[in-house]
Amino acid sequence: QKEVEQDPGPLSVPEGAIVSLNCTYSNSAFQYFMWYRQYSRKGPELLMYTYSSGNKEDGRFTAQVDKSSKYISLFIRDSQPSDSATYLCAIIQGAQKLVFGQGTRLTINP
Amino acid sequence: DAGITQSPRHKVTETGTPVTLRCHQTENHRYMYWYRQDPGHGLRLIHYSYGVKDTDKGEVSDGYSVSRSKTEDFLLTLESATSSQTSVYFCAISITGQERTSANTGELFFGEGSRLTVL
Repeated sequence: QKEVEQDPGPLSVPEGAIVSLNCTYSNSAFQYFMWYRQYSRKGPELLMYTYSSGNKEDGRFTAQVDKSSKYISLFIRDSQPSDSATYLCAIIQGAQKLVFGQGTRLTINP
Repeated sequence: DAGITQSPRHKVTETGTPVTLRCHQTENHRYMYWYRQDPGHGLRLIHYSYGVKDTDKGEVSDGYSVSRSKTEDFLLTLESATSSQTSVYFCAISITGQERTSANTGELFFGEGSRLTVL
């Protein structure tokens, strides 16, 4: 079992919709959870990170961690065409090594 | 801008030939990483380095070797390229310091990627 599992999609929604992206992870010891965004033909960039459990909000983006079910989510409100990208969840696995999910390709249609 | 440069950005080669990809950073950060990205697999760690001449294997290290003789350069070598190594390769660095620590934020800074095709 991979440490982090993510539905690769693709996911296509109309502009203005609320988007929900999800990952599951295997090890309850993981404490740091990240979401990266990757535009086509570019390197990934950190979008948000959370420590332990709970919610973290940044503008239209909310990251949520449910440690009891080992589930991490990213919500995008009022989605825009510029949000079209691949979103990757990630965890830190010792010695500053990141383990990534498969990535979900998201398209926001005008 | 974390000052990461990858070269070459694109390369087409034939099976059995050696290939070296270079990652160069301008800020003397200690940790450097090589990932590969393939459809359905996301980003997978190949090798990483935590200092000059200090390297370790990642999840998919078979068929790859690395070297770090200078802080600023991290080289990834495919001794004898195979078609299964056709991929996009990303170099990344992590940041340490008083104000910002990748260990606390999980923030890696990635290069633009090197697209390798092995025929």
